[in-house]
Amino acid sequence: QKEVEQNSGPLSVPEGAIASLNCTYSDRGSQSFFWYRQYSGKSPELIMSIYSNGDKEDGRFTAQLNKASQYVSLLIRDSQPSDSATYLCALTSGSARQLTFGSGTQLTVLP
Amino acid sequence: DGGITQSPKYLFRKEGQNVTLSCEQNLNHDAMYWYRQDPGQGLRLIYYSQIVNDFQKGDIAEGYSVSREKKESFPLTVTSAQKNPTAFYLCASSLRTASGANVLTFGAGSRLTVL
Repeated sequence: QKEVEQNSGPLSVPEGAIASLNCTYSDRGSQSFFWYRQYSGKSPELIMSIYSNGDKEDGRFTAQLNKASQYVSLLIRDSQPSDSATYLCALTSGSARQLTFGSGTQLTVLP
Repeated sequence: DGGITQSPKYLFRKEGQNVTLSCEQNLNHDAMYWYRQDPGQGLRLIYYSQIVNDFQKGDIAEGYSVSREKKESFPLTVTSAQKNPTAFYLCASSLRTASGANVLTFGAGSRLTVL
């Protein structure tokens, strides 16, 4: 079982819709969770971090964490074509300081 | 502006050659990392360094070597022992937040192609 699982997609949503990206993980000791956005051919950029159960909102982005169910999700409201990218879920667990990444979900927002 | 500089952006290597990818940061971060990304896949950790003159193997260290002689620099050498080196290589550094988590900042990446 992979440590961090994401649906690879592609996920397509129309402009203005809500895009929902999901990530599950296997290590119950995981503590810190991150969502990175990666445009084609570019490096990842951090868009959200979440450390405790519940929702965290930042503009059009909302991260949701449920440690009991071992999933973290990212909602993008009012999706724009510029949101089209691959979204990577990452986490740290235990005493490890390095991140473990999922394989990413490719999102396409259709104009 | 603070950031991470990777060079070269594109690199072509013949089989049997060693190549070195440069990574320099002026963010005053203690920790630095090298990741490899293959098409359609996530990032896999090659090596990381928490402090100068110390580094640890990541998940896929075979065929790679690093050094950390200065805080600002963490070069990666792809040796001829790496059988499938064609990939996108990403260098990162991290700042430890108040919560204890490491927030990574990435360089622009180096794309290595073996001819």
